[in-house]
Parts: sequence; structure tokens; C-alpha cells
Amino acid sequence: SQTIHQWPATLVQPVGSPLSLECTVEGTSNPNLYWYRQAAGRGLQLLFYSVGIGQISSEVPQNLSASRPQDRQFILSSKKLLLSDSGFYLCAWSVLGYGLTNTEAFFGQGTRLTVV
Amino acid sequence: SQQGEEDPQALSIQEGENATMNCSYKTSINNLQWYRQNSGRGLVHLILIRSNEREKHSGRLRVTLDTSKKSSSLLITASRAADTASYFCATVQAPGGATNKLIFGTGTLLAVQP
Repeated sequence: SQTIHQWPATLVQPVGSPLSLECTVEGTSNPNLYWYRQAAGRGLQLLFYSVGIGQISSEVPQNLSASRPQDRQFILSSKKLLLSDSGFYLCAWSVLGYGLTNTEAFFGQGTRLTVV
Repeated sequence: SQQGEEDPQALSIQEGENATMNCSYKTSINNLQWYRQNSGRGLVHLILIRSNEREKHSGRLRVTLDTSKKSSSLLITASRAADTASYFCATVQAPGGATNKLIFGTGTLLAVQP
């Protein structure tokens, strides 16, 4: 069965420090991968998505970057964190189904990042 | 950017009542999906409705889609305290292709009082 692992669950980092959040998927091949950010009490903002190794699309200009070094590994990074980077970060995967459109997405449990 | 806007932002009902949440979106879509999120957790997929479908059922869930109005509704019948969560709609825009994205709305916070 397919599973998605996202870690860590919580993270407190000082302003100006680097960031690396990792997400791995098991049990499927060539998934679409996503990073979302959720501010408190708000909806999900799509940050990055990837349809294959080394293929990253950025949705919002920001202080973050993403990489996909392996088929089922998606990494969210920052060289220097800002206070505004605080939030709940969610990784998700999906596959193309009927009509080459996305079917349901499967989410990790999220990382609560607090920049202090 | 947000594609969907849920309405209402918050809803409080008594156990046993029905809960209706609405979602409006802006662009043409391939499909629309509803998700549930318990506080501080990841999202769980509930139901998917394609652009050529008008209504879909899954257990106590009923979803309708009106592409002419670019809107969808989620009905939860006979609600339970365990249904308390945030509910989000998400759309896959058309044309899709290999780069199609899943864009979420702002969510409805549902509280079911026992």
C-alpha cells in the first residue's frame, strides 16, 4: 500500500537559519508531488509541485525552494528563514487517472514550523 | 493563489442535523474534490466529482456540482460529533495535462455539538 512520510512534525528555528523538510512516498511510482503551506485558520497555499525528477514548478515567489532528487523524495528548503515562513507545511502526492487528470491526493501529517 | 472559496467560513450545528458547505471556483475544471482536516493534521480525501457529473454520493456525504455557476456543495447528513473538522474543496483546472495542479479553497470549519 502507498504511504507518505513527512518529518519532522514540529520545528522551531531562529530567523536566518537554514531549513530542510523532507517528504518521501512509498508504494507508487512517478507520483505528482506537492508542497503546501497553511497559515493558522486558513486554506492551503500551493508552493511547489513536481511531475518528475528534477522538475519543479514554483507557484509563489518566496524565500523557499524545492528539489526532487529521487522519484519519491521531495525536499523543501530555505537558505535563510524569515519570520513570515512560519506555518504548517504539508506534503502530498497524487497520480494521474482518468483523462490524465489528477485523482485524489494523499497528504503527510504536516510539519509545524515556527520561526523565532 | 486560491481557486475556491468556501461558504460559510464556520458552521456550528447539533448532532443529527445536516451540514451544508458550499464552494465557488473561478476557472474551468476537470474535477472537484472535497477533503477533511482534523485540527493540526494532514488532509484526508472524501470524494471526487468530475466536471461531467452533477451529483455524487458516498455514505452520509452528498456532493453536487454546477459547472455553469462554478459552484459545488457538500452535504453531510445526520452529523456526528466526530464530523467536527475543517472541510476544503479543491479543483483540478482544465486543461489539465501532466502539469495539472490541485488548488484548494479557504475551507469551512464545522463544529458538531453533541
